[in-house]
Amino acid sequence: KAGVTQTPRYLIKTRGQQVTLSCSPISGHRSVSWYQQTPGQGLQFLFEYFSETQRNKGNFPGRFSGRQFSNSRSEMNVSTLELGDSALYLCASSLAGAGGSEQYFGPGTRLTVT
Amino acid sequence: AQSVAQPEDQVNVAEGNPLTVKCTYSVSGNPYLFWYVQYPNRGLQFLLKYITGDNLVKGSYGFEAEFNKSQTSFHLKKPSALVSDSALYFCAVRDDDYKLSFGAGTTVTVRA
Repeated sequence: KAGVTQTPRYLIKTRGQQVTLSCSPISGHRSVSWYQQTPGQGLQFLFEYFSETQRNKGNFPGRFSGRQFSNSRSEMNVSTLELGDSALYLCASSLAGAGGSEQYFGPGTRLTVT
Repeated sequence: AQSVAQPEDQVNVAEGNPLTVKCTYSVSGNPYLFWYVQYPNRGLQFLLKYITGDNLVKGSYGFEAEFNKSQTSFHLKKPSALVSDSALYFCAVRDDDYKLSFGAGTTVTVRA
């Protein structure tokens, strides 16, 4: 079975721009969660989608949004980028949801905002 | 309030010695607890979970964890550490909002 894939792996953007990150979950997994990882804040939950519906959301500003498609693939979008958005963005998929079953993580997208 | 805490930023052990990585949690109701490991420049990998049942949970790569309800702890253990176990370890708990909340992480270094 193919693992979780994330594209692109690396991105460099300028302040004020917007960015879209993509995640393809493991086949059969309907839950996709997104996390932001930084040295200072650690791993922070962004949101979770299950069967195209946002099931949970972390404490991030409205500039961070996401969606999930009928094939369970998910995208997250960050608008009006700030320097502090530089981070590793991780996507994870699971069968039953983030809190109830093990999650399988992708390799992440490294976003650098200059 | 923080749902999960990893009190040690770093743990250093010699190869062949026992390895323990500490984790305490704070949630209402029955806890769902997880351990994940992150190797350099890679995503997280699932090690083990506790949802219900036996307090001693066995996981991948020879790791196990002991759930202690009275101490609200879920420490990760390995009887004999390997150099290849050097990585960043995260404890996680399903918090009261049904989100997965991660600890700050513990960097494990196993010296040869």
